[in-house]
Amino acid sequence: SAVISQKPSRDICQRGTSLTIQCQVDSQVTMMFWYRQQPGQSLTLIATANQGSEATYESGFVIDKFPISRPNLTFSTLTVSNMSPEDSSIYLCSVEDRGGTSRGYTFGSGTRLTVV
Amino acid sequence: RKEVEQDPGPFNVPEGATVAFNCTYSNSASQSFFWYRQDCRKEPKLLMSVYSSGNEDGRFTAQLNRASQYISLLIRDSKLSDSATYLCVVNKYSGAGSYQLTFGKGTKLSVIP
Repeated sequence: SAVISQKPSRDICQRGTSLTIQCQVDSQVTMMFWYRQQPGQSLTLIATANQGSEATYESGFVIDKFPISRPNLTFSTLTVSNMSPEDSSIYLCSVEDRGGTSRGYTFGSGTRLTVV
Repeated sequence: RKEVEQDPGPFNVPEGATVAFNCTYSNSASQSFFWYRQDCRKEPKLLMSVYSSGNEDGRFTAQLNRASQYISLLIRDSKLSDSATYLCVVNKYSGAGSYQLTFGKGTKLSVIP
């Protein structure tokens, strides 16, 4: 399976500020996915990040609020901009695991964000 | 109807019990199916893929019924370490060579000594 290093693992931020989350993968992957998991909820896809093109955002998520970078095939960042308490959540990156036959997905360890 | 619906939890079972989780999905174009396990304050981790023929991995058995759009997970001889939230996950082709995962809300399992 791919190994993903995600940081920071947690942060407490003031409203109105921005936080950039980084994910580094130990292998080259075409697509990286960014998810949000709000308290007591399941994972919701924010956007899909392709190297060399703009990210594709899901309904309810916009680039101005969640800008994404994908400078190469092993790295991506998600920024949560102009934060409000409603942005308090866990943010996770993910890649498709092409090792083996399961074709499952591997997740980063998550960033627990609290906005005060 | 939600895209992926799971049994509402929590399930509290004694050690050694057999427990079954059910899941239904609404999109008939779904192509791949998984059960993930998520421990408290941790990221989801793949438990097993689910195949039409059914598949087993030790104490865990997964079944898929495409006609009914129904997925199940059976855990036999429950261990304390099985306590976690189990997520039903469905993957569908979303175009341009990309796939998209849809997650159920998860079912929390607590195995009690």
